[in-house]
This record gives sequence, structure tokens and C-alpha cells, in this order.
Amino acid sequence: DAKTTQPNSMESNEEEPVHLPCNHSTISGTDYIHWYRQLPSQGPEYVIHGLTSNVNNRMASLAIAEDRKSSTLILHRATLRDAAVYYCILHTSGTYKYIFGTGTRLKVLA
Amino acid sequence: NAGVMQNPRHLVRRRGQEARLRCSPMKGHSHVYWYRQLPEEGLKFMVYLQKENIIDESGMPKERFSAEFPKEGPSILRIQQVVRGDSAAYFCASSPRELTASGNTIYFGEGSWLTVV
Repeated sequence: DAKTTQPNSMESNEEEPVHLPCNHSTISGTDYIHWYRQLPSQGPEYVIHGLTSNVNNRMASLAIAEDRKSSTLILHRATLRDAAVYYCILHTSGTYKYIFGTGTRLKVLA
Repeated sequence: NAGVMQNPRHLVRRRGQEARLRCSPMKGHSHVYWYRQLPEEGLKFMVYLQKENIIDESGMPKERFSAEFPKEGPSILRIQQVVRGDSAAYFCASSPRELTASGNTIYFGEGSWLTVV
């Protein structure tokens, strides 16, 4: 079973910031938080990952709660090309696999 | 840099035929993972391989499915005697180091869509 909980869908207007939440109340100290997104008919694309501190890269920012029981993926200015299913995944150190949930389907409105 | 290359992108097979899906990892990556995505579902782990070794096949169906990653050439996911329920997208991913190491991540290919008629 997936160890994360995400809303099924969200909508955003183009050019506005998007905050995609993820709950992971059973996270352990060595679990990394990974985010991938999947555009229609494509493979999952790596977005960002982190452990405890907030992370920024050219695609997005990851804000991790102080107790690590939740995190938020932030797209600073949504574009139509950001419409995708976003997956929040906990990866447990020492394991070979990601456990995907059903993700959040983001719709971006022009 | 070329990403993870999968072929064919689309494959149609009749029930009872064999399907072979190929995956070439990113340059410098020696760890390969296969995932399956059924329609309207999330991805499910199938198998993890290193060169010439199957490390974890806990997600592979016990029958009809096999995977290999030979010393030379791409990784192959083979499905024998396909049935309609095998219709799915099959994704390969690769990494330069074991995913078990903290903070590592994996990179997915575009997928192979298998349709069984």
C-alpha cells in the first residue's frame, strides 16, 4: 500500500503558483520524499526529492513540514505543460522499489 | 544525454503470443527496474536487475513473465502466452547506483504500451 495520501485532483490557472499537498504521517527517519509527474502517454518524470530541508530546483520547490508528516510541491508559475499526474512517493532506505499511489491529477486552465 | 530508451513504444499481440519489451538504460547506469501500469492505476514495481543478475523480482507474476539484463545489450522483459489482462504500459527505469542508497533516484523511460487482442 502507498504510504502517502494526495488529493485526487486539483485545478490551477495558468501563470499562478500551485501547491500540491502530500500527507505521509507514517514516515520514518530515513525515508526520502520523492516527487514525480506523469504526462499523458509518457513515463514518470523526476521532479524533486528531499529528506528534511526544503529543496529548490529549476522545476519546483519542495517544502517539508518540520515533523515531516507532510510535504508540499510548489510549482511557482503553472503552465499548460504542467498538466499531469503528480506522485508523491516515500522511498525507504534499503529498499529497491518505489510504491506509487494514485497521485494528484493537476489541470491547468488557460 | 540520451535518456532511458524503450522499444517498441506500442505493441499489439494476440492472446497466446509472446511479447518482448526492450530497455536500454541511461549511459553509465547499470541498475534497471521494470514497472507496470494498468489502465487508470499507479505504477507497480515488477523487478530490479543489475548486469546479469536479478536482484528483486518480488513484483513479477510467478508465471509467464521473465526479465533479464545481459552483460551486453538491453534489458528484456518477456511475457509468454499473453492474456488480455497483460494489456498495460510497461516502464523501465535506470539508476547509476543502487536505489537502496539514501537519496538516490531513478529515471524512467517513455514506456511500452502492450495491447492484447
